[in-house]
Amino acid sequence: GAGVSQTPSNKVTEKGKYVELRCDPISGHTALYWYRQSLGQGPEFLIYFQGTGAADDSGLPNDRFFAVRPEGSVSTLKIQRTERGDSAVYLCASSLRGPSSYNEQFFGPGTRLTVL
Amino acid sequence: AQSVAQPEDQVKVAEGNPLTVKCTYSVSGNPYLFWYVQYPNRGLQFLLKYITGDNLVKGSYGFEAEFNKSQTSFHLKKPSALVSDSALYFCAVSASGYSTLTFGKGTMLLVSP
Repeated sequence: GAGVSQTPSNKVTEKGKYVELRCDPISGHTALYWYRQSLGQGPEFLIYFQGTGAADDSGLPNDRFFAVRPEGSVSTLKIQRTERGDSAVYLCASSLRGPSSYNEQFFGPGTRLTVL
Repeated sequence: AQSVAQPEDQVKVAEGNPLTVKCTYSVSGNPYLFWYVQYPNRGLQFLLKYITGDNLVKGSYGFEAEFNKSQTSFHLKKPSALVSDSALYFCAVSASGYSTLTFGKGTMLLVSP
């Protein structure tokens, strides 16, 4: 079946602009995760959804970052007033159930965000 | 807080030789441990996991990893490396599954022909 998909694959924007990044998880996966990967680093957790609700948003760096998953499937990560430091690859992952079930996470190819 | 250390930025081996990519972790409670591989322009791919049971875990593409509780390590191994194994490898830990994954910085594996 289809894996996790993310759009766009690349996004270039100017400082101060608003961006939305989309994630389409594997069908039937109830848990969805957003990570940010900076150059030379491992993925850094941002937020985790169980169904429609954000079960853990402790990784969001500040209130410019927000994510939604209104129908428990597709998720959108929203970044307001982008800054150059937001430039990174944003990864989305999904798993059959949440972390407590120790299911492995399946990752999408990522969206490379560049803020000029 | 939980953390993962991958002490080597890069590991170089010749094709056909055994390889080891090191990982140590720190976590409260029982660890859930994972290895992922990342090829250029592709998403992370799951290789294997340790939850409980046998300390030696076998995964995809002939890889295995050994859990050592006393040394808090989870090193990735393969008896005979292939050029196609060249990629970026990430170790990750979760505290008994009740927290999200924390990843290491990654180790670039280079297998020469």
